[in-house]
Order: sequence, then structure tokens, then C-alpha cells
Amino acid sequence: DQQVKQNSPSLSVQEGRISILNCDYTNSMFDYFLWYKKYPAEGPTFLISISSIKDKNEDGRFTVFLNKSAKHLSLHIVPSQPGDSAVYFCAASVNNNAGNMLTFGGGTRLMVKP
Amino acid sequence: GAVVSQHPSWVICKSGTSVKIECRSLDFQATTMFWYRQFPKQSLMLMATSNEGSKATYEQGVEKDKFLINHASLTLSTLTVTSAHPEDSSFYICSATNNGVNQPQHFGDGTRLSIL
Repeated sequence: DQQVKQNSPSLSVQEGRISILNCDYTNSMFDYFLWYKKYPAEGPTFLISISSIKDKNEDGRFTVFLNKSAKHLSLHIVPSQPGDSAVYFCAASVNNNAGNMLTFGGGTRLMVKP
Repeated sequence: GAVVSQHPSWVICKSGTSVKIECRSLDFQATTMFWYRQFPKQSLMLMATSNEGSKATYEQGVEKDKFLINHASLTLSTLTVTSAHPEDSSFYICSATNNGVNQPQHFGDGTRLSIL
């Protein structure tokens, strides 16, 4: 049973436009959510996170939105840049603590076209 | 920012060889380290959780005698793939956290293991 799902395996966006990556979860115990970016043959790089007590967290071009009632979160990147092209994973954990196990989604490959 | 170093980045060896992978947190104390495995075009699958000074907790289906984990200090965890076979070929990634509230896991760059 996949507790964290990223239903879009890939997304193509024009440079300068907004990229919206979506993630759904089923476990209502999750209370800490993270987005990671991954290039081939490299480890994931932490981008941004959000606690369940918030519905939005912003860091530069990256904003994460959390809709607890819908068990849905999204990552907005604006403006998108070609260097943003990578695989993006959402992840979730329990007890606001990434020291607990992270459950990852399947990833979405973002391609930003110049 | 937090840095996790993983070594080696790529290993090619013969079937039956044991391979050790090191994961180090360079600028923070990692009370917990995690070991993941990633198959091509798939997500990261957690193999085990390693807490400093105690035995690792393995996920279901992961053989603890096959994948030996040691977390002897707050900055180093090792994964040893014992008597590796071609089916063990994969991308292995570690992560580390200091267990603070709302502190993310930071990942190493991974180790590509190829068993001939």
C-alpha cells in the first residue's frame, strides 16, 4: 500500500513559467512533509519542508502548500529555470521528526524547457 | 548547510565479494542514519534505520545478515553488503539527521554497486 503517491511521473514546463508538483498521502498520522530534488546518480537534496500546523511555507522560488483535509501537498516553483530539471520526491514522516522514517513518493521528473 | 559524505561513489566487483559503504555526517552529529536502495526509475526504498550505539532496525524483506550495518559513532555509519551477488547491484544511498524537530534528513550522493 503506497502511503505517499505522486501521480504524475513527469512534467514539462516552459522556462519562466510556474511548475506545480503534486503529492497525495493516505496516512493521517503524517505531520511533517518534505520535498527533495534528485539528479541522476546523486543523492536527494533537501528543498523545503512543512509542518502540519502550517498550510504554506515559502523559500525563494519554492513554495509548498499543504491541504490536510484533502491529504494533499504541492510544490510550486516560480519562475522555473532549466536547472530545475530533475526528479522531485515528496516525503512524509510522523511526529514532526525526520529522525523517524521517511516515506517517499515515487517521484516526478520535471523538465524545464529553455 | 548540512553535509553527508558517502564513499565510495562507485564499486564494481566480482560476485562473492563483500563491499563496505561509509556514510559520514561532516558538520553535525547524526543520532540516526538511514540506508536506502534505489532501483532504476523507482523511488527510494528504506532498508534500515541505524541509531548510534544500538542495533539497526531492518525493514521487512531486508536480510540483516546480508546487509550489515554499524553505527559506531555519531558521525559514521557503515553498510556492508556481504557476499554480494549480481542481484545486489543497485544504487545505495544513506541519509542522516540529528533528530531535531522539523529537521530534515540530509542525503549522501549514493554508491552505485555493480556486481559482475
